[in-house]
Amino acid sequence: GIQVEQSPPDLILQEGANSTLRCNFSDSVNNLQWFHQNPWGQLINLFYIPSGTKQNGRLSATTVATERYSLLYISSSQTTDSGVYFCAAYNNNDMRFGAGTRLTVKP
Amino acid sequence: NAGVMQNPRHLVRRRGQEARLRCSPMKGHSHVYWYRQLPEEGLKFMVYLQKENIIDESGMPKERFSAEFPKEGPSILRIQQVVRGDSAAYFCASSPLGTGATEAFFGQGTRLTVV
Repeated sequence: GIQVEQSPPDLILQEGANSTLRCNFSDSVNNLQWFHQNPWGQLINLFYIPSGTKQNGRLSATTVATERYSLLYISSSQTTDSGVYFCAAYNNNDMRFGAGTRLTVKP
Repeated sequence: NAGVMQNPRHLVRRRGQEARLRCSPMKGHSHVYWYRQLPEEGLKFMVYLQKENIIDESGMPKERFSAEFPKEGPSILRIQQVVRGDSAAYFCASSPLGTGATEAFFGQGTRLTVV
């Protein structure tokens, strides 16, 4: 099945800093989603992005399907951005997750 | 439109008992995915179901685990004769269409603890 790799595995930022999270996938995908798992374990949808670029407030995402990667940008990070960020790629029938990037934003 | 509902939120079982986890998809969603998450790890795919059909169960352990999504009612993930290693958070997601054609949404998970 499809392999999904995320980098970096861990990221520590000072509040206000910007960051880029990367998601590589091994095969062509039907679609891709980014999620944020907050410290309480809840999975929150960030982006549903098969290709192109989308923005939502301080967050934006870009997927280049032909080159098999997606990027999540976080600008002016806040302590509430802390948690784990997952990308999930659809290939054939199901959705497979990367191992996540654990983000810690310090005040 | 209520979100994906999972219950119970927390479940404690003794070794050897059965665990039943329920997932009610969002209204209009006929595709359900189950995932398992061990502490400090990512989400591992278990099974993908459509109404009354198992589409892909390649991530499901061959023994003790089963899943169903009946025509009426929630999807059920059933774990028989639980062992300590089954302790994990179990998440389900639902979508209106499969194969990534539409966005999937997750429930809040069921945290299973086997004592």
